[in-house]
Amino acid sequence: QPVLTQSSSASASLGSSVKLTCTLSSGHSSYIIAWHQQQPGKAPRYLMKLEGSGSYNKGSGVPDRFSGSSSGADRYLTISNLQSEDEADYYCETWDSNTHVVFGGGTKLTVL
Amino acid sequence: QVQLVQSGAEVKKPGASVKVSCKASGYTFTSYGISWVRQAPGQGLEWMGWISAYNGNTNYAQKLQGRVTMTTDTSTSTAYMELRSLRSDDTAVYYCARVRLHNNYYYYGMDVWGQGTTVTVSS
Repeated sequence: QPVLTQSSSASASLGSSVKLTCTLSSGHSSYIIAWHQQQPGKAPRYLMKLEGSGSYNKGSGVPDRFSGSSSGADRYLTISNLQSEDEADYYCETWDSNTHVVFGGGTKLTVL
Repeated sequence: QVQLVQSGAEVKKPGASVKVSCKASGYTFTSYGISWVRQAPGQGLEWMGWISAYNGNTNYAQKLQGRVTMTTDTSTSTAYMELRSLRSDDTAVYYCARVRLHNNYYYYGMDVWGQGTTVTVSS
């Protein structure tokens, strides 16, 4: 069963860029993941699905500032031109066949 | 637009059961699944299980096996999650989320979330 590892926190300045990382456990480096954003006090929101090739598919209405990329077992979410509303928790999700779905522990992003 | 609307907040005593509903609109209900995810206060997201609205198949997280049941009513495009033998550590916000299906069978990630339902377990 896959395990996802995320840094607990990250910070970046308004208008800058930040790259968040989600790392798949050994033996699962080819897995597809999804990124979800959870703003304070709100329900999560789907951002994108990201393959090991680096190809990604964004959800409806997700700004162009959000992009994805991959390298080996690492899956990245890059946010450009950071806005105050990007301050949120970011979770990655993956799945193993039909029987096991996991989330990473989440990264709390602070916009300075 | 695609939407999942959940039932309202619940307060239950330890040992009781709770049933949360999730009404879908804006898409063909039976072409997707529904996952249930919970979030305890100040904690991360925990997957509880999912049901295919296409064929009714369910898969539950091991730690909840025997206490949780997920069902769908395709006539009303509504999914339900029932959790029994409630304990204080079941206090959480419960979310439903739409699941994309690959080949009408395989789980392929969540892509739309409900607004959440707060369940409080307290004596």
